[in-house]
Amino acid sequence: NAGVTQTPKFQVLKTGQSMTLQCAQDMNHEYMSWYRQDPGMGLRLIHYSVGAGITDQGEVPNGYNVSRSTTEDFPLRLLSAAPSQTSVYFCASSSWPSSTDTQYFGPGTRLTVL
Amino acid sequence: DQQVKQNSPSLSVQEGRISILNCDYTNSMFDYFLWYKKYPAEGPTFLISISSIKDKNEDGRFTVFLNKSAKHLSLHIVPSQPGDSAVYFCAASARRYTDKLIFGTGTRLQVFP
Repeated sequence: NAGVTQTPKFQVLKTGQSMTLQCAQDMNHEYMSWYRQDPGMGLRLIHYSVGAGITDQGEVPNGYNVSRSTTEDFPLRLLSAAPSQTSVYFCASSSWPSSTDTQYFGPGTRLTVL
Repeated sequence: DQQVKQNSPSLSVQEGRISILNCDYTNSMFDYFLWYKKYPAEGPTFLISISSIKDKNEDGRFTVFLNKSAKHLSLHIVPSQPGDSAVYFCAASARRYTDKLIFGTGTRLQVFP
């Protein structure tokens, strides 16, 4: 049982480049979310989804897009990377209806934008 | 505006002693609270939670206390072990109103022999 997987583990981008961070879970969870972790800021919610075809914004959604076409996958897209998006990104999933049920986190993607 | 605050960025405790990690919140709508533990290069893992209808929840060496009037919760680890060395995040949610989980900034716990 793989749980929550994230790819890539590390990525370096130049300002203005685009990329997609991949997230997949094999637990049939309805709820998935993306967080970023910055020093002194804790984990901040970027976007979340309560099921396929349904997404909503978190605390810091600007500069990021998401879609949820399947239960398993929840990719995070950076359309035009900026240095302020340098961070560690975590994907998480949990069963529905409560997002406060135990969330399972992936190992993270460390992104550097030059 | 930080709705969930962990004012101590770090804590150092001797093995076998009690570790007390604190968390304050400002939103009176929060009614569910969780603690997560995070090792370097790994994602956070769930540790323990508490609903606002309780003031204490215990799981082995870990106990969470909730003081709603003070908008304060704490995590007690007794006895502390070197393997407990990690960053601990508290998180809160207003289950009736939102799906969002708001995290604190984290406290790095170091347990030394």
